[in-house]
Amino acid sequence: NAGVTQTPKFQVLKTGQSMTLQCAQDMNHEYMSWYRQDPGMGLRLIHYSVGAGITDQGEVPNGYNVSRSTTEDFPLRLLSAAPSQTSVYFCASRGQGARGYTFGSGTRLTVV
Amino acid sequence: AQSVTQLDSQVPVFEEAPVELRCNYSSSVSVYLFWYVQYPNQGLQLLLKYLSGSTLVKGINGFEAEFNKSQTSFHLRKPSVHISDTAEYFCAVSDYGGATNKLIFGTGTLLAVQP
Repeated sequence: NAGVTQTPKFQVLKTGQSMTLQCAQDMNHEYMSWYRQDPGMGLRLIHYSVGAGITDQGEVPNGYNVSRSTTEDFPLRLLSAAPSQTSVYFCASRGQGARGYTFGSGTRLTVV
Repeated sequence: AQSVTQLDSQVPVFEEAPVELRCNYSSSVSVYLFWYVQYPNQGLQLLLKYLSGSTLVKGINGFEAEFNKSQTSFHLRKPSVHISDTAEYFCAVSDYGGATNKLIFGTGTLLAVQP
């Protein structure tokens, strides 16, 4: 039981490049979310999903896409990276009836 | 929509002293409340949560929090802190019974424990 696994742990991108941040959970959780953490701003919700095939926007969705084709995986795509997307990204999941999320260890992304 | 306010960005305290980290929330519906802790260069760990019932909630590492509905607060307390408690603490709110149960965070409070 690995919990929530995020890959990669670190990434450096050039402006305009695209990439996908991976998130996988093995707890059969229905709810999954992506957050970004920036100094002094806490964690802000980017996108979330209430189940396979269902996604919705959070507080700061611009510049990011998501899809949820399986219960286990919830990848976050940056189509054209910008320096403003330099941040630490966290994926989280929550099971039905469980009111606290389990967080992954994060991906530190730098866009130069 | 819900929101969370953590007014103190940093709280310095001496070892073995008591500490209170403040959290106020805003919501038009009933809520669940959480405190998470983040140690340097690590992910988030659930410290405690309030779902219903007793307004005094005990968590890990000797922390506790009290839900006050009239003051819309959920302050975190510890009677005696240790150096190892140095970390950033996040208060979070989720709507009760909502379709999404989105978890919304405050901006965090850095607890700096000094010897």
